[in-house]
Amino acid sequence: AQSVAQPEDQVNVAEGNPLTVKCTYSVSGNPYLFWYVQYPNRGLQFLLKYITGDNLVKGSYGFEAEFNKSQTSFHLKKPSALVSDSALYFCAVRASATDSWGKLQFGAGTQVVVTP
Amino acid sequence: GAGVSQSPSNKVTEKGKDVELRCDPISGHTALYWYRQSLGQGLEFLIYFQGNSAPDKSGLPSDRFSAERTGGSVSTLTIQRTQQEDSAVYLCASSIGTSGRAGSGDEQFFGPGTRLTVL
Repeated sequence: AQSVAQPEDQVNVAEGNPLTVKCTYSVSGNPYLFWYVQYPNRGLQFLLKYITGDNLVKGSYGFEAEFNKSQTSFHLKKPSALVSDSALYFCAVRASATDSWGKLQFGAGTQVVVTP
Repeated sequence: GAGVSQSPSNKVTEKGKDVELRCDPISGHTALYWYRQSLGQGLEFLIYFQGNSAPDKSGLPSDRFSAERTGGSVSTLTIQRTQQEDSAVYLCASSIGTSGRAGSGDEQFFGPGTRLTVL
């Protein structure tokens, strides 16, 4: 079984400060990892993914995430947060070697609040 | 290009009625997914379709839920005899659908969702 944990329900950060949203996962074999963002009253938007290769993945809107196999983590980061980054962030995992490859397991989400 | 579209955007129904939710995926995407997002909870996988393969229905919460995908494009999620606990936002997503397990790496593109309220 695959699972994702986002330990923080909410992250508060001042504009201009670094932003980190935590994610840990559990999956059999190698994981495929994703981050999505949901703005109010809108669908989810893809930010970035880790499939293979470099552990540091760069994505949309200046976000990046680092895959750490030993810690089974895939934390999302942004060096300097903007007020417009305030949204709900979801981490998701899928096992790369599975017959049910379509089933993406999402975390519960982390609300990010960036204050001016 | 057009993204994933869903209709209606909002649906209010009475307990016991049947509802149909529609999803139009991105043109050329062969994989289509349905999720449910309840207040205060994350996304719950319901069902996915990949090409002509049998759909994975393992996430459907009860036999009142069913989904079809006609012609490999548009999908309809049907909820029969709706209950108040069915109230949620129903999200549809599509992906390119790379064949086999390689498709595990495809990112999914989401529609805006249908907000279902069962009174």
